[in-house]
Amino acid sequence: AQSVTQLGSHVSVSEGALVLLRCNYSSSVPPYLFWYVQYPNQGLQLLLKYTSAATLVKGINGFEAEFKKSETSFHLTKPSAHMSDAAEYFCAVIYNNNDMRFGAGTRLTVKP
Amino acid sequence: DVKVTQSSRYLVKRTGEKVFLECVQDMDHENMFWYRQDPGLGLRLIYFSYDVKMKEKGDIPEGYSVSREKKERFSLILESASTNQTSMYLCASSPPGLTYEQYFGPGTRLTVT
Repeated sequence: AQSVTQLGSHVSVSEGALVLLRCNYSSSVPPYLFWYVQYPNQGLQLLLKYTSAATLVKGINGFEAEFKKSETSFHLTKPSAHMSDAAEYFCAVIYNNNDMRFGAGTRLTVKP
Repeated sequence: DVKVTQSSRYLVKRTGEKVFLECVQDMDHENMFWYRQDPGLGLRLIYFSYDVKMKEKGDIPEGYSVSREKKERFSLILESASTNQTSMYLCASSPPGLTYEQYFGPGTRLTVT
């Protein structure tokens, strides 16, 4: 079955350090890819999306992600973590129907 | 500004009760979705709808039903609530098409005792 995998259910970084959250998808056909963020007791908010226009996608709050077809990856990065980035992050994909599939999520902790 | 609202943020029900979760969107979106979110499992699709009076089962429809009588409103119904349905329920909507993201409501945290 087509799916999306997020490596690492918890990631902890120091404030100011690089943030790297990993996402891999399984498909021979490049999908459409999304990253969402969820702050405590809130719904999901879109960070960025890849729709085949450009492989490096910039999103809100300084986040960006690069689509790498050869690695079937869409990792999320931010050069310098801020305390306000602490949240849960979800990678999601849409394949050839309207069905969006979510990864299990990665909880990001930012230490002062 | 796009908006998806859910009728309750927190809900406590007893086993066997019939539970209604309401979702309303003001963006005139064709697609609407109900997910449940559990730790370590991400979001799992319960039901979705592409149009009024239309519904499709997702991955975990057992124990749930839905209703979409108007375009802007999508209701999730637990016919007889059970403790294993204690979860966070998220509603979302989107326009049709593969490149469109889903817009999410704030969620309803349901506890069944």
